[in-house]
Amino acid sequence: AIQMTQSPSSLSASVGDRVTITCRTSQGIINDLGWCQQKPGKAPRLLIYGASSLQSGVPSRFSASGSGTNFTLTITSLQPEDFATYYCLQDYNYPITFGQGTRLEIK
Amino acid sequence: EVQLVQSGAEVRKPGESLTISCKASGYTFTSYWIGWVRQMPEKGLEWMGIIYPGDSDTRYSPSFQGQVTISADKSISTAYLHWSSLGPSDTAIFYCARHGELFPFDSWGQGTLVTVSS
Repeated sequence: AIQMTQSPSSLSASVGDRVTITCRTSQGIINDLGWCQQKPGKAPRLLIYGASSLQSGVPSRFSASGSGTNFTLTITSLQPEDFATYYCLQDYNYPITFGQGTRLEIK
Repeated sequence: EVQLVQSGAEVRKPGESLTISCKASGYTFTSYWIGWVRQMPEKGLEWMGIIYPGDSDTRYSPSFQGQVTISADKSISTAYLHWSSLGPSDTAIFYCARHGELFPFDSWGQGTLVTVSS
């Protein structure tokens, strides 16, 4: 199975800040990578697919890039509703695998 | 609007069987894969497997192969996750999620909490 390594595991930031989360895969996956957001007590929500495409309804302050084995998610001008846990995931092959998550907390 | 509505929370004893459900609406159920994801308490997301309701083609993660059974009833647009014998490690929230045309997990159910305790 493809291993997914996210960094950092947790992150403290303030409203208005810009943050970047990194995801590295154990083998090349072209651009078959997505990012999900999960708020406490809620189901996850897909934000990004195809490494850089914004899912419908996702604010434009979210952006992502990367290919091969290295990927990033960037949130510009953090809003209060963005404080959550973020997961990368690959669908290059089965089993689909997730990163361990990055918890974004308010400083 | 795509909606996935899951069955309610369950409490079972070790060794008991259980089936939870995920009812889909707002799209053609037989045309999209639908999968299950486990989230153990305070832990991350784990992909369990998927089913294509159109022909019941099913794929499992090696971690869950033989531990659960995924099925679907296309007559009522519902997917199922079944355990024949629950264990304490099955205490978790289980989410169903649709695999969209472009990427997996474009729509999620609200989750079903399963608690296994003697």
